Amino acid sequence: QVQLVQSGAEVKKPGASVKVSCKASGYTFTSYGISWVRQAPGQGLEWMGWISAYNGNTNYAQKLQGRVTMTTDTSTSTAYMELRSLRSDDTAVYYCARSCSSTSCYSDYWGQGTLVTVSS
Amino acid sequence: SYVLTQPPSVSVAPGQTARITCGGNNIGSKSVHWYQQKPGQAPVLVVYDDSDRPSGIPERFSGSNSGNTATLTISRVEAGDEADYYCQVWDSSSDHPGVFGGGTKLTVL
Repeated sequence: QVQLVQSGAEVKKPGASVKVSCKASGYTFTSYGISWVRQAPGQGLEWMGWISAYNGNTNYAQKLQGRVTMTTDTSTSTAYMELRSLRSDDTAVYYCARSCSSTSCYSDYWGQGTLVTVSS
Repeated sequence: SYVLTQPPSVSVAPGQTARITCGGNNIGSKSVHWYQQKPGQAPVLVVYDDSDRPSGIPERFSGSNSGNTATLTISRVEAGDEADYYCQVWDSSSDHPGVFGGGTKLTVL
């Protein structure tokens, strides 16, 4: 069965960086991409970006350009999302999701979420 | 970037039909996906490509898309359907391809 398992909760100080991992299993990793979506407390879903696990191509939300990097390690079927220069408004639950087959871009399997808290 | 507009809340009695709309400029030309999210849980895909259902999603969930409005319809609503619902489109021409609507809280009275 398809599973995405994310790394554990993080507490960071403003200005620091965080790197969240997302280990995939149960499918051919390179046949799909991985989207990253975050949700601030009490707020809606925010799309952060997407990476192709096939060739590493990325597409980032404009507001995060320059602060976010998404990568994959095909040898371990793991995706990573690094966010730098953290601010208090980056406090959120971060989700990875399997996305974008050859035919359409929806997210059919999601990780359990990783809470990132940014606080001094 | 492309903007999707959802009503903040929809209320419906058990057994009735709930309709949640998602407005966007010429959204009928795009593929719309719908997610259900219950408190403390990750989102779950309930409809993709306007009207297709993933395996395991009840037939009570259906979708349509035309003109400037996409609609998620939930028939014979149950208490367990109470959740937040989000629409999403993937707009390859945008600098923000994977845009979400603001979400709709479905309350079962």
